[in-house]
Amino acid sequence: GAGVSQSPSNKVTEKGKDVELRCDPISGHTALYWYRQSLGQGLEFLIYFQGNSAPDKSGLPSDRFSAERTGGSVSTLTIQRTQQEDSAVYLCASSLVSGGRGEQFFGPGTRLTVL
Amino acid sequence: AQSVTQPDIHITVSEGASLELRCNYSYGATPYLFWYVQSPGQGLQLLLKYFSGDTLVQGIKGFEAEFKRSQSSFNLRKPSVHWSDAAEYFCAVGAGQAGTALIFGKGTTLSVSS
Repeated sequence: GAGVSQSPSNKVTEKGKDVELRCDPISGHTALYWYRQSLGQGLEFLIYFQGNSAPDKSGLPSDRFSAERTGGSVSTLTIQRTQQEDSAVYLCASSLVSGGRGEQFFGPGTRLTVL
Repeated sequence: AQSVTQPDIHITVSEGASLELRCNYSYGATPYLFWYVQSPGQGLQLLLKYFSGDTLVQGIKGFEAEFKRSQSSFNLRKPSVHWSDAAEYFCAVGAGQAGTALIFGKGTTLSVSS
């Protein structure tokens, strides 16, 4: 595809439900990142994948958050037992080169609203 | 801990006037520095980046930024602003493992008046 795609674009859920957010990176990009953008906290790093492994999960805010990547491509971010403070825009990015020199290309995001 | 500060939350500039958006960082080693722009309803787009070498870097859309190690700054500039430049601008530093995770500033919203 031309760029990073994310689905759904919008998700409204009730407190306590589980949600799955999907990211399709640019074809051939080995590195994949999840970020969260909220009014109060700005843009926060969540997790980084190199291939299918996640060497840096330091940004995941709690054990309710998990992510996986299969086939070195699609990634899913799962939030269990959602809370209102999870409401945010979840951004995915991918890069061809891992490490700091790899330009990260961002998707349009998934806006999550927890009622 | 690594951090990025953008002191100006909101800036208004007249169309055709020059622009400077401030960014200060805190990082123990030589940083990887980035400026991104986010237009309403759009994703983040990379404007420019600094890794090493020439401290004045050129980016897309006529933007440039200067890395000043002594001031821990990486300010973004544009000589003449266009109405289409109205957006939110984020400065970021590469951190984490081998500089993979980006740490962002809170952003500066740019409004352009006619």
